[in-house]
Amino acid sequence: NAGVTQTPKFQVLKTGQSMTLQCAQDMNHEYMSWYRQDPGMGLRLIHYSVGAGITDQGEVPNGYNVSRSTTEDFPLRLLSAAPSQTSVYFCASSYHRGVQTQYFGPGTRLLVL
Amino acid sequence: TQLLEQSPQFLSIQEGENLTVYCNSSSVFSSLQWYRQEPGEGPVLLVTVVTGGEVKKLKRLTFQFGDARKDSSLHITAAQPGDTGLYLCAGVYNNNDMRFGAGTRLTVKP
Repeated sequence: NAGVTQTPKFQVLKTGQSMTLQCAQDMNHEYMSWYRQDPGMGLRLIHYSVGAGITDQGEVPNGYNVSRSTTEDFPLRLLSAAPSQTSVYFCASSYHRGVQTQYFGPGTRLLVL
Repeated sequence: TQLLEQSPQFLSIQEGENLTVYCNSSSVFSSLQWYRQEPGEGPVLLVTVVTGGEVKKLKRLTFQFGDARKDSSLHITAAQPGDTGLYLCAGVYNNNDMRFGAGTRLTVKP
């Protein structure tokens, strides 16, 4: 099993550009989520999904879109990148939401100029 | 506003020393998790505590959940360089929302 995979590992964008961060898991987990990690802020939840076709907003959803067409994939879209979105992004999955073991991907480091 | 406060933010100690890091909140959690994160990688779950007053041990690591389920501590005995990393606590609310603390960055020098 590959676990949770994320691509790309690094990305540099100019303000206003759009891009999609990819996330895939091969553990048949129902719950998937996206976090951003900033110095001194910990991990903050952006969006999450409790199953294919179902998504919901987390703590900091503005500027990001998600979709969940399959159990395996949960892409995160930045529609118009801003310097405030410079961060490290982590995708995570677990069987269900709540008191579960969450498995995190290796992260995508994004720099918006 | 950080709902979960972790202290200290940074800790640098010599190999063999003991240490304790803390995770505090004004909110009550249904459970609390501790993760360790190494540079360039995602967090990895160490333990989940559910019951107030619960103590769990994982080799040289001892985790305690406060009686009121608002705080937790992680104690490491005889720290080793391999313990170096960012330690994150995450509290789970009754509605299954999870909030992470900012973390304690531990460096253990050989």
